[in-house]
Amino acid sequence: SQELEQSPQSLIVQEGKNLTINCTSSKTLYGLYWYKQKYGEGLIFLMMLQKGGEEKSHEKITAKLDEKKQQSSLHITASQPSHAGIYLCGADKSGSNYKLTFGKGTLLTVNP
Amino acid sequence: GAGVSQTPSNKVTEKGKYVELRCDPISGHTALYWYRQSLGQGPEFLIYFQGTGAADDSGLPNDRFFAVRPEGSVSTLKIQRTERGDSAVYLCASSLVQHNEQFFGPGTRLTVL
Repeated sequence: SQELEQSPQSLIVQEGKNLTINCTSSKTLYGLYWYKQKYGEGLIFLMMLQKGGEEKSHEKITAKLDEKKQQSSLHITASQPSHAGIYLCGADKSGSNYKLTFGKGTLLTVNP
Repeated sequence: GAGVSQTPSNKVTEKGKYVELRCDPISGHTALYWYRQSLGQGPEFLIYFQGTGAADDSGLPNDRFFAVRPEGSVSTLKIQRTERGDSAVYLCASSLVQHNEQFFGPGTRLTVL
């Protein structure tokens, strides 16, 4: 069963617009990972967050982990068609340092 | 550099048959993981190898599933007496050590008719 809730399930935006994807857990997370997946391809690592309040950025993508380490958000600024794909959050829920539990993903479409 | 590779990319088999799925991790990565992704779902953990040994196989759904990594590099996921419910994309990932970012392969799409 999926224990990470992602919202929205899908999102359509116009090129140039900003957007936010959320990932929520009912339990404290030991590590939170964001991946991007295109149809028929594997997952591409984006960012890893471990500390409450942590924020990381890469190009136009910023991810944050809240202080309680139960929610993370992924924000894309000035979206481009290349940002389209499925965004997955994965979490280490047991402190194992290897077993990731994933959300169902958010399908992002960016219209030119 | 070369990433994680998986073969075959697609596998169609009949119910009851045996299949093997192969994963070639990134050279030098000691940790290897198998996940299964059903349509519309996120990947689900199956098994984790540290070197040659399966450190955690708690995600394998039943005893029809088995995985090996005899030399600490290439891994094979083996499924006996396949069922239609086994149809999914099987993803392999590797990392330099445990607790590092996991690099995923493109997956093998298994279809059981």
